[in-house]
Amino acid sequence: AQSVTQLGSHVSVSEGALVLLRCNYSSSVPPYLFWYVQYPNQGLQLLLKYTTGATLVKGINGFEAEFKKSETSFHLTKPSAHMSDAAEYFCADLLSSGSARQLTFGSGTQLTVLP
Amino acid sequence: DAGITQSPRYKITETGRQVTLMCHQTWSHSYMFWYRQDLGHGLRLIYYSAAADITDKGEVPDGYVVSRSKTENFPLTLESATRSQTSVYFCASSESALEAFFGQGTRLTVV
Repeated sequence: AQSVTQLGSHVSVSEGALVLLRCNYSSSVPPYLFWYVQYPNQGLQLLLKYTTGATLVKGINGFEAEFKKSETSFHLTKPSAHMSDAAEYFCADLLSSGSARQLTFGSGTQLTVLP
Repeated sequence: DAGITQSPRYKITETGRQVTLMCHQTWSHSYMFWYRQDLGHGLRLIYYSAAADITDKGEVPDGYVVSRSKTENFPLTLESATRSQTSVYFCASSESALEAFFGQGTRLTVV
């Protein structure tokens, strides 16, 4: 079964510092990978996705992620953290077979941005 | 209003009672999903539907029932609520499943 592992349930960075949130996947077939963000008391919002093609994917709010097949990783980065980036971030992998579609989520990483 | 809406936003129910969480989307997306979110577990798929009258189990379906008689609605029923079903429930819809749109969630407490 596919799984997604997010290393670090809590990450703290200073405002202006680099954000790095780690995600590893286990899919044995070419994966579709996603990063979602969840602000308090809200649903999830898509940040970015990797399907095929360019391995460096740019998303909203200055975030980007790089698909590395050799490392089975899809880490999320942002060069300079902003206070408004404080939220929970989820990595997800899509299993697609026939009409079946299942997004498998990691356990999430809570990002805190310190002033 | 366009989008995906869940109701109620908050619900407290007693053990053993039946409770239904509603989900409505206005895009006519083919796919709809129900997830539960628990601390330390992320989101786990309960059921999903590829189209009206087509549903399938996800990772944690036990104790839940779904139906999809209309494309826009995907209610989730807890037949006999248990304390372990206390959670935040999210409904999502997608046309291609390459981008899922989530509702605001329903916080369910079973006492």
